[in-house]
Amino acid sequence: DIQMTQSPSTLSASVGDRVTITCRASQSISSWLAWYQQKPGKAPKLLIYKASSLESGVPSRFSGSGSGTEFTLTISSLQPDDFATYYCQQYNSYPRFGQGTKVEI
Amino acid sequence: EVQLLESGGGLVQPGGSLRLSCAASGFTFSNYAMSWVRQAPGKGLEWVSAMSGSGASTYYADSVKGRFTISRDNSKNTLYLQMNSLRAEDTAVYYCAKHRGAIVVVSPVDYWGQGTLLTVSS
Repeated sequence: DIQMTQSPSTLSASVGDRVTITCRASQSISSWLAWYQQKPGKAPKLLIYKASSLESGVPSRFSGSGSGTEFTLTISSLQPDDFATYYCQQYNSYPRFGQGTKVEI
Repeated sequence: EVQLLESGGGLVQPGGSLRLSCAASGFTFSNYAMSWVRQAPGKGLEWVSAMSGSGASTYYADSVKGRFTISRDNSKNTLYLQMNSLRAEDTAVYYCAKHRGAIVVVSPVDYWGQGTLLTVSS
């Protein structure tokens, strides 16, 4: 099984900050990685797919990078609407999520 | 507009059974793989099971293998999850999710339903 490890688990930040979340896979997944945003009581929302492709309608302040086993999600300038929990997911094999990163004030 | 509407959640005793349904609309259902993903209260996302668009391929997480069965009726645009031998640790919100392509691998989940709550308790 491919294990996904996100860091940090919690991130405290302010509006306007540049934020970076890391996701590591236990073996190479090429670029088959997605990032999701989830707010309390809501379903997750796709932000990034294939490691660096921005989903339609997602603000350009979100970006993804990486390949193989190490990936990052960057929010260039944190906005009030961005305080949420973020999950990475590999889909090189059957889907597997990271444990999540909560971005809080 | 893609819509996924889950139903069938509720309160079940340990050892019991339940079937979840997911009614899909706004896309050609048979062309897309589908997954069930769950989230225990206050916890992260856990992928549970997936099925290819044709129904030929199925996948299960180790935690549910042998107890849960995924199926789909492409004539009714509906995905199902039959859950048997339920345990307290199966308590979660269960989300129905659509993949971007017909196969499960190399195809991200791009749409989610709003979820249905399953509580396993005596």
